[in-house]
Amino acid sequence: GQSLEQPSEVTAVEGAIVQINCTYQTSGFYGLSWYQQHDGGAPTFLSYNALDGLEETGRFSSFLSRSDSYGYLLLQELQMKDSASYFCAVRSTNAGKSTFGDGTTLTVKP
Amino acid sequence: DAGITQSPRHKVTETGTPVTLRCHQTENHRYMYWYRQDPGHGLRLIHYSYGVKDTDKGEVSDGYSVSRSKTEDFLLTLESATSSQTSVYFCAISDVLGTSGGSYNEQFFGPGTRLTVL
Repeated sequence: GQSLEQPSEVTAVEGAIVQINCTYQTSGFYGLSWYQQHDGGAPTFLSYNALDGLEETGRFSSFLSRSDSYGYLLLQELQMKDSASYFCAVRSTNAGKSTFGDGTTLTVKP
Repeated sequence: DAGITQSPRHKVTETGTPVTLRCHQTENHRYMYWYRQDPGHGLRLIHYSYGVKDTDKGEVSDGYSVSRSKTEDFLLTLESATSSQTSVYFCAISDVLGTSGGSYNEQFFGPGTRLTVL
């Protein structure tokens, strides 16, 4: 089976840096994705790591360590609009079958 | 934005009635997925499709069936709706693209359907 763990809530202030961790146990692994979801909206893709290391996309970075079954999403220069839920997801087959974590609610305060 | 729509966007129905949700894409993506999302939870995969007439079960497939007769349409059917199927349903599409870092998979989500079963 598949299972993912991520913190349920994180709070930070505007301009700060926050890291959201994700640990996983899966029977197959092709990559780790991160998605953002605002209240009432649909999830939107942020990043994907297939190999170990850091991927940077603007203010957001994502890291993967396959040997540790661990990844994280790093958000820099936090803005109020970054308040949302963030989900990690493991792609377990080549067809993109994915298992999502329960999500981390990020609250950015002024 | 990826061209993906869901219909209906909202539906209220009664226990025991059949319900069909439709997902339509204009991107010609090979893979399509149905998820449900309940408060405080992530997305749980119901069924997915890897081509026309090719489908497979996800982690919460009991009580649901799917069909894909055309690339652009993926239907989710609740044969006899129950209150436990009250949820928000998301459809997603993707293709697997090759990159220097290995194959790549980004899922694009539709706007969701809020289903209430009374």
